[in-house]
Amino acid sequence: DAGVIQSPRHEVTEMGQEVTLRCKPISGHNSLFWYRQTMMRGLELLIYFNNNVPIDDSGMPEDRFSAKMPNASFSTLKIQPSEPRDSAVYFCASSKGQGAYEQYFGPGTRLTVT
Amino acid sequence: AQSVTQPDIHITVSEGASLELRCNYSYGATPYLFWYVQSPGQGLQLLLKYFSGDTLVQGIKGFEAEFKRSQSSFNLRKPSVHWSDAAEYFCAVGGVPGTYKYIFGTGTRLKVLA
Repeated sequence: DAGVIQSPRHEVTEMGQEVTLRCKPISGHNSLFWYRQTMMRGLELLIYFNNNVPIDDSGMPEDRFSAKMPNASFSTLKIQPSEPRDSAVYFCASSKGQGAYEQYFGPGTRLTVT
Repeated sequence: AQSVTQPDIHITVSEGASLELRCNYSYGATPYLFWYVQSPGQGLQLLLKYFSGDTLVQGIKGFEAEFKRSQSSFNLRKPSVHWSDAAEYFCAVGGVPGTYKYIFGTGTRLKVLA
């Protein structure tokens, strides 16, 4: 069974540009999580969905960030406009449900904003 | 509030030596506990998990962890470390009531000397 798939794996863009990160969760998983990892702040939860509905977006840093999950097999995280401080590795993870289920992580997207 | 503490930021061991990585948690009920490993440039991979029952759990790659309620700890151990174990290790608590969130520790970076 394929794991969590993320694209692109690397993204380099200029400040002010729009960036879209994509995620395909594991089939049958109904919870999806977006994380950001930096050296300074570690692993931060940005937003999570359950059954395609955003449950908690309190970790989204500001209005420049938005996330959607139009169906059970696809989610996007968009940054518009991007800034150098958004440079990080962005992970998507999925799980079967609440709490007791382990999360499976994708390989991440390394974003560099110049 | 729930929290996870990994007191050791960096640990260095010689290949073949034993390893113990510490994890302490603060949680009001029986937690769901996880250890993840992250190799350079990779996503997080689940090593093992504790939900209930036997407090000593076995994981992949020869790792084990012991849940000690009295000490609020879930330490990760391996009897003989291999060079390929060099990575960053994250402890996490799940099952936060009313949410799907995990609480991750800040990670311990393991260096293995040949």
